[in-house]
Amino acid sequence: QSALTQPPSASGSPGQSVTISCTGTSSDVGGYNYVSWYQQHPGKAPKLMIYEVSKRPSGVPDRFSGSKSGNTASLTVSGLQAEDEADYYCSSYAGSNPLYVFGTGTKVTVL
Amino acid sequence: QLQLQESGPGLVKPSETLSLTCTVSGGSISSSSYYWGWIRQPPGKGLEWIGSIYYSGSTYYNPSLKSRVTISVDTSKNQFSLKLSSVTAADTAVYYCARHPDGYNSGYYYMDVWGKGTTVTVSS
Repeated sequence: QSALTQPPSASGSPGQSVTISCTGTSSDVGGYNYVSWYQQHPGKAPKLMIYEVSKRPSGVPDRFSGSKSGNTASLTVSGLQAEDEADYYCSSYAGSNPLYVFGTGTKVTVL
Repeated sequence: QLQLQESGPGLVKPSETLSLTCTVSGGSISSSSYYWGWIRQPPGKGLEWIGSIYYSGSTYYNPSLKSRVTISVDTSKNQFSLKLSSVTAADTAVYYCARHPDGYNSGYYYMDVWGKGTTVTVSS
């Protein structure tokens, strides 16, 4: 099982939107609505931002939204703020072998 | 508030076994709703799921590491542990422990609580 493919970087100015893609296969992203997204600041643990493709845990701003089409999921951050500058990783349930697969990661820069 | 804390040696010699423990506080590891997992992140690279365990001892392992990984649980200490044998420099990483729902019964698949991570370097 290979890692999900994400662009290495994305950027936007404060107040703008940025969208990150996450491409997998029919065995993971395309096969289940169990895509999640994690935000990771330098030296910190990942933080759950989106689960089940588009649901936000309590406390996550509604500026963060998720979607999926076929084998590709996307995370959109609207109204970019300085604190959104971080690495973002997608993840998908992939059956039981393995249980989870992660994306390659995208560094988001707020210009 | 549930917290997870990784602990273990920060330096392991090549060919030896890496051993880490995750201590759960603020909640019970014996919750019937959750699995407890290990994830690692090599320097400058992405995340890799290693494996997960239920309080009953049921496990899932990443096939890429399965031959070298053992995850165990000690409910009396509210801890679970990772052993990775025959390590090489490629196993140098930050190792995280995390909680995720028992997806088969709940229909939820995500990691919602993470430890802060511990750095393990494989070097002689």
